[in-house]
Amino acid sequence: DAGITQSPRHKVTETGTPVTLRCHQTENHRYMYWYRQDPGHGLRLIHYSYGVKDTDKGEVSDGYSVSRSKTEDFLLTLESATSSQTSVYFCAISARVDSGNTIYFGEGSWLTVV
Amino acid sequence: DQQVKQNSPSLSVQEGRISILNCDYTNSMFDYFLWYKKYPAEGPTFLISISSIKDKNEDGRFTVFLNKSAKHLSLHIVPSQPGDSAVYFCAASGWISGAGSYQLTFGKGTKLSVIP
Repeated sequence: DAGITQSPRHKVTETGTPVTLRCHQTENHRYMYWYRQDPGHGLRLIHYSYGVKDTDKGEVSDGYSVSRSKTEDFLLTLESATSSQTSVYFCAISARVDSGNTIYFGEGSWLTVV
Repeated sequence: DQQVKQNSPSLSVQEGRISILNCDYTNSMFDYFLWYKKYPAEGPTFLISISSIKDKNEDGRFTVFLNKSAKHLSLHIVPSQPGDSAVYFCAASGWISGAGSYQLTFGKGTKLSVIP
């Protein structure tokens, strides 16, 4: 248990509406990530953060923005949701384990855009 | 350009036998490799990892082998149990200088079914 909480866990929204997913961590990890998982694509990095107000783009960042105003919270916003953004979204943190950095995931947020 | 490849989308194994899941990578800068297990409706769970300075790491029924020259790693599960049925993701980590951070690159996953 990496102390990660995602909300909401399930959401149905209409095309064109903004949506914000929240990730909350309790263990003061510096690095936080947002991934999406889709059939045939595995896990793809959307955005990540390496500190408060420090964020950067990942592999599939178009249509998404993020914010991190405090260490424990990392928000993912879909500015105008599209059907292609129907997916499962996972927040993650990075922690040092043995000789490498290991990512631990939250339980996921299932988003359906209709 | 897929840097981490899991060429088998699915694998079926009898309970009690060995499960071998394979993964290939292309980027020689990767220095840390991980396996994750994912059940439906749950987040991926870290399973086992291996550093590039090793060729084997074992944790109970799970062993990961790394062949750097072939850029290949494999996960062995012995003996396989029905509860091992899940999707397994291979991941590779390396320092991304342009990003200023370590990042993981994931394969697309292999669905393992262990048949009782």
